[in-house]
Amino acid sequence: QVQLVESGGTLVRPGGSLRLSCAGSGFTFSDSYMSWVRQAPGKGLEWVSDIGPTGGEIYYVDSVRGRFTISRDNAKNSLYLQMNSLRAEDTAVYFCARDPQRGDGHTFNSWGPGTMVTVSS
Amino acid sequence: DIQMTQSPSSVSASVGDRVTITCRASQHITKYLAWYQQKPGKAPKLLIYSVSSLESGVPSRFSGSGTGTDFTLTISSLQPEDFATYYCQQVNNFPLTFGGGTKVEIK
Repeated sequence: QVQLVESGGTLVRPGGSLRLSCAGSGFTFSDSYMSWVRQAPGKGLEWVSDIGPTGGEIYYVDSVRGRFTISRDNAKNSLYLQMNSLRAEDTAVYFCARDPQRGDGHTFNSWGPGTMVTVSS
Repeated sequence: DIQMTQSPSSVSASVGDRVTITCRASQHITKYLAWYQQKPGKAPKLLIYSVSSLESGVPSRFSGSGTGTDFTLTISSLQPEDFATYYCQQVNNFPLTFGGGTKVEIK
């Protein structure tokens, strides 16, 4: 079955950098759009970034554009999020999610359990 | 950006009750709306896509409806496992956006 597992979350100081990873299995990773979605403590869901199957299409929410970079390695079935210039407001659980592209827009039918990023001095 | 507004933000209900959650988009999104359920400490789970299509494995007591800018998620007979937070999401335009969530609590 489809499995997504995030890693890399930790405590980091404001202004610091962090790289999150997401390993996918049980599906054809190279055919899938993938996204990062985050959730600040006690808050709602916020979509962060999306990448197309070949990496040729990339989208970001305004609040992270220029600081975060999404990428993928289809040979390793892996998705990444490079996070630079981190701020306290980036503190959240970061989920990776799969968009199966069924013609229903960018809907996420598989999610990882999430990895916690805490930005604090 | 398309803003998604959910109401109510919370609802208290009993097992067996019919619960309705609404979601309003700031502009027309045709059929590109999804609903998710999230339980504390867990990842969201897709319930409904394309406004009214039930994701595989989701019980038929969940249903979705609406068109244009106004959408509804209905739980026909609330079960103990349905106490959770529900989010709508517009899935057509980037940035993808979620509603603020509706927490369904035990009465």
